Amino acid sequence: DTGVSQDPRHKITKRGQNVTFRCDPISEHNRLYWYRQTLGQGPEFLTYFQNEAQLEKSRLLSDRFSAERPKGSFSTLEIQRTEQGDSAMYLCASSSQGWGTDTQYFGPGTRLTVL
Amino acid sequence: AQTVTQSQPEMSVQEAETVTLSCTYDTSESDYYLFWYKQPPSRQMILVIRQEAYKQQNATENRFSVNFQKAAKSFSLKISDSQLGDAAMYFCAYRNDGTASKLTFGTGTRLQVTL
Repeated sequence: DTGVSQDPRHKITKRGQNVTFRCDPISEHNRLYWYRQTLGQGPEFLTYFQNEAQLEKSRLLSDRFSAERPKGSFSTLEIQRTEQGDSAMYLCASSSQGWGTDTQYFGPGTRLTVL
Repeated sequence: AQTVTQSQPEMSVQEAETVTLSCTYDTSESDYYLFWYKQPPSRQMILVIRQEAYKQQNATENRFSVNFQKAAKSFSLKISDSQLGDAAMYFCAYRNDGTASKLTFGTGTRLQVTL
C-alpha cells in the first residue's frame, strides 16, 4: 500500500491555459475526493466519486472545472481557461466503503500557480 | 450547513509540555464524526485522531487525546509530551454520518514547538 499519490506535485501555468491533475487512490479504495486549499485556509470540498460515479459537486466547482474517474481507479481534475484565483493546492483523498468512520486518507497535493 | 471554527491561529508549546488546541462546530445532526488532521510544512495531511459522536468516551492515540463535549459542540485536541516533530498545522474536521460524505475543515492552528 503506497498511499494516495498525485501528479504533478507542482504546476505553473499562464492564465487562460488548461491544466490537468491526476490522483491515484489507495488500491481498493472505492471513494475518491477532491479538495482545494488556499494559503492559510483549511481544505474545501470540490467533488466526490464512488467508483466511477461522480456523486456530489460543490458550488465551488465552476463550469471550468471537470473531474473524471473513468474506471473507478485513478481520477483526473481538469481546469480550463485558468484564472489567477485558481492558484491553490489541490488535494485528493480516498476512502473505503464499509462499516465505520470511512476515514479519508490524503495525497501530497498538487500546487497550482497561475501567472 | 455545518461549520467548524478554530479560534487559535497559532499556538506555541515547549518540548515535553502539554498543549490543547480548540475546535467548535455547528451542526443540527446527532450522528457525525470529528477528526484532527496534521499537516507538516510541505508535507501531506495525516490523520491524528477521530471521534464518533455516539461514543461518550474520548478518543486517545498515544500522546494525543480529545475532549469531546457534544452538548457544547466542542472538540479539543490535547498533545502531551510535545515533540519537535509535532510542529505543524492542525485542522479540525467534521463529517456527517451515513453514506460517504465530505469533510468540513476549520481554518487550522499552527503549532510551534520550542526547545
